[in-house]
Amino acid sequence: EVQLVESGGGLVQPGGSLRLSCAASGFTFSSYWMSWVRQAPGKGLEWVANIKQDGSEKYYVDSVKGRFTISRDNAKNSLYLQMNSLRAEDTAVYYCARENGGYALYYFDYWGQGTLVTVSS
Amino acid sequence: EIVMTQSPATLSVSPGERATLSCRASQSVSSNLAWYQQKPGQAPRLLIYGASTRATGIPARFSGSGSGTEFTLTISSLQSEDFAVYYCQQYNNWPRTFGPGTKVDIK
Repeated sequence: EVQLVESGGGLVQPGGSLRLSCAASGFTFSSYWMSWVRQAPGKGLEWVANIKQDGSEKYYVDSVKGRFTISRDNAKNSLYLQMNSLRAEDTAVYYCARENGGYALYYFDYWGQGTLVTVSS
Repeated sequence: EIVMTQSPATLSVSPGERATLSCRASQSVSSNLAWYQQKPGQAPRLLIYGASTRATGIPARFSGSGSGTEFTLTISSLQSEDFAVYYCQQYNNWPRTFGPGTKVDIK
């Protein structure tokens, strides 16, 4: 059974930092692109960042470029999101999601339960 | 960036009735369109990918259609567990973008 379990969320002040983790199990983690997707309270879904199987390619939504860094450790079956210079508008539930598909056309077939990040003074 | 729109924002349906949800892309996304279901306090769940292919374990009452810029998700006979928010998402272009969602509630 595919499982994705996020952790690391919490309350942080504006300008602060937080590192999210996602522990994967039930599939060959190193064979899949992985993403972070967020959802602000009461709002819709927004893709944030993704990373290639070997970590050699990373992409970000414009609003987090230069502030967030996605990474992975295939030996530990883990995905990470380092979030710096946090802003109030980064407040959201952050989901880890597995990508599936082919020919660089990927949808999100499995999601974690999410971890809440609140940026507030 | 491709902008996704969904209509209606809220759909009130009685159990056993048919529900038809629409999704529109600001430019063609071919058939690279997915639908997700999200219940309160839960993560999204993949229902449909490739515009019309049901994901593993998804009941046959869910069907998707369309290509290019116009897409439809149909729930043939609504069950109690189907009342939720439904999002469409394009994965043809970067960045991947989602629609704002359609809430299906009980009439």
